[in-house]
Amino acid sequence: AQSVTQLDSHVSVSEGTPVLLRCNYSSSYSPSLFWYVQHPNKGLQLLLKYTSAATLVKGINGFEAEFKKSETSFHLTKPSAHMSDAAEYFCVVSGGSQGNLIFGKGTKLSVKP
Amino acid sequence: GAVVSQHPSWVICKSGTSVKIECRSLDFQATTMFWYRQFPKQSLMLMATSNEGSKATYEQGVEKDKFLINHASLTLSTLTVTSAHPEDSSFYICSATSGGQYEQYFGPGTRLTVT
Repeated sequence: AQSVTQLDSHVSVSEGTPVLLRCNYSSSYSPSLFWYVQHPNKGLQLLLKYTSAATLVKGINGFEAEFKKSETSFHLTKPSAHMSDAAEYFCVVSGGSQGNLIFGKGTKLSVKP
Repeated sequence: GAVVSQHPSWVICKSGTSVKIECRSLDFQATTMFWYRQFPKQSLMLMATSNEGSKATYEQGVEKDKFLINHASLTLSTLTVTSAHPEDSSFYICSATSGGQYEQYFGPGTRLTVT
């Protein structure tokens, strides 16, 4: 069975400093992994996805994530946080043949001025 | 990118009544649609998967007679919460895809409050 664990429920950074949101996955086969962002009262937006191509995946808004099979991790990073990055971030694994997604519990990112 | 809409975005209903939520793919044909539920400050939980023209597949613990899902066309799926109770109050989110290997596109969600 597939699962994801987001290691931090809340991360707080200062504007202009790096962002690291941690995610570990469990999968019985080569997984597809995603990061989604949810701003307050907005729909989910795909930041990036890994589907067994390059292990370093670049997404929108300067975010990127690295798939590390040996560590079963897919951490999300950004070199410099912006105030508009404050949101809830979900690490997601594809769970089955129909493509249903399994969500982590989410990490709330706060950005201080 | 592809657009998925939901209607209504917000609904309040009285306990015992039924509420229908629509999910539409606006610019692509969605062979598969998913319905999720999100409680405050929690993650999304998959409720059911529906394929156009077929009965929905419900996740364990989700009452299929309470949460009726219809996927009658390639652009529309509906979720009807029957005999709603306050504990059904939640944020309901749909997503749509052209197929299992393709990206899922999410709707903006519907906030249901049952009084």
